[in-house]
Amino acid sequence: SQTIHQWPATLVQPVGSPLSLECTVEGTSNPNLYWYRQAAGRGLQLLFYSVGIGQISSEVPQNLSASRPQDRQFILSSKKLLLSDSGFYLCAWSAGWEQYFGPGTRLTVT
Amino acid sequence: QKEVEQDPGPLSVPEGAIVSLNCTYSNSAFQYFMWYRQYSRKGPELLMYTYSSGNKEDGRFTAQVDKSSKYISLFIRDSQPSDSATYLCAMSAGGNTPLVFGKGTRLSVIA
Repeated sequence: SQTIHQWPATLVQPVGSPLSLECTVEGTSNPNLYWYRQAAGRGLQLLFYSVGIGQISSEVPQNLSASRPQDRQFILSSKKLLLSDSGFYLCAWSAGWEQYFGPGTRLTVT
Repeated sequence: QKEVEQDPGPLSVPEGAIVSLNCTYSNSAFQYFMWYRQYSRKGPELLMYTYSSGNKEDGRFTAQVDKSSKYISLFIRDSQPSDSATYLCAMSAGGNTPLVFGKGTRLSVIA
């Protein structure tokens, strides 16, 4: 069966510091991968998605970036965090049209 | 007009009630329809999915799609306190197009 991992589970970072969140999927090959952010009181915001290694589509221009160095690994990064980057970050995968989400990373920027 | 509209609630019902959750959408290309359940501080979990129009039943849950009205529903029978969560609708036109989500409806089932 397929499983999706995200780490860390929680993170507190000062403004201006870098960020690296990692997501890995097990039990499937060549999945589509997604990064979402969910801010308090707001819906799911799609940040990036990838249909293959090195292929990244950005949905929202901002100070975040994503990379897919391996088939089942998806990384979300920032060089300098802003207060507005606080939120719940979710990674998801799909092999068809259903998406399956990871447990999420709660990021607080102070 | 937003692509997917969902009443955010909150919706509070007594245990045992029938719950109706709904979403409307504007994109007639949507063919795949999903409902996710999200408990507090957890990732969303896929609850039910349907393709095109019609009904689908799974235990106490029934999903309905009316493409002519661009309206989808999730019914929960005999609601339980453990059903208390945020429910998100999602839909897709298929292929590699990402899902479009509603903002979620927060449901509380009171014992």
